[in-house]
Amino acid sequence: DTAVSQTPKYLVTQMGNDKSIKCEQNLGHDTMYWYKQDSKKFLKIMFSYNNKELIINETVPNRFSPKSPDKAHLNLHINSLELGDSAVYFCASGGRGVEEQYFGPGTRLTVT
Amino acid sequence: DQQVKQNSPSLSVQEGRISILNCDYTNSMFDYFLWYKKYPAEGPTFLISISSIKDKNEDGRFTVFLNKSAKHLSLHIVPSQPGDSAVYFCAAISGGSEKLVFGKGTKLTVNP
Repeated sequence: DTAVSQTPKYLVTQMGNDKSIKCEQNLGHDTMYWYKQDSKKFLKIMFSYNNKELIINETVPNRFSPKSPDKAHLNLHINSLELGDSAVYFCASGGRGVEEQYFGPGTRLTVT
Repeated sequence: DQQVKQNSPSLSVQEGRISILNCDYTNSMFDYFLWYKKYPAEGPTFLISISSIKDKNEDGRFTVFLNKSAKHLSLHIVPSQPGDSAVYFCAAISGGSEKLVFGKGTKLTVNP
């Protein structure tokens, strides 16, 4: 029974398209996150939501818009995709302590 | 600006020997440090953590050492097993923040 799931696992699309990545957690956590791992392998936080409210919003282009319909879901919508958006995107959820961040398997996005 | 640095991209050890993974940080506000382990095509999983008020934390085969004056921490795995082969990420966070800052990771290979 997967704790944090993401769909799709792989996503190949052309520049200029709009795409979404879905994330769901069944751990009952209040906080969910989106991370990006780029070609240099850095894992960087993009957004954090706590009980559907935006907590962290790093310097991410506004083409990226997270949406949290409820505290078990945090989806990532990306408009007008660019080549530089190619990366692996990880969703995570957390409990009270930061050590309790549980990561999903990642979505590898390739923009051609 | 890399606040968390893992200068060794890879490490290879023999089964049964000790693996030592190193991590340096620059932000003196960091007061909690974590190690995550990542297998291919999976998300990172939490391994072990240490608070800045301690200099050592042990959990089974895994021990993390913290040297605050040197802004350095290390993860020791003894004895190393082939199943430990993975990428290990060092991460840090400062009090009151929810942002984990990750290093680039070190790929550990344990040879049978």
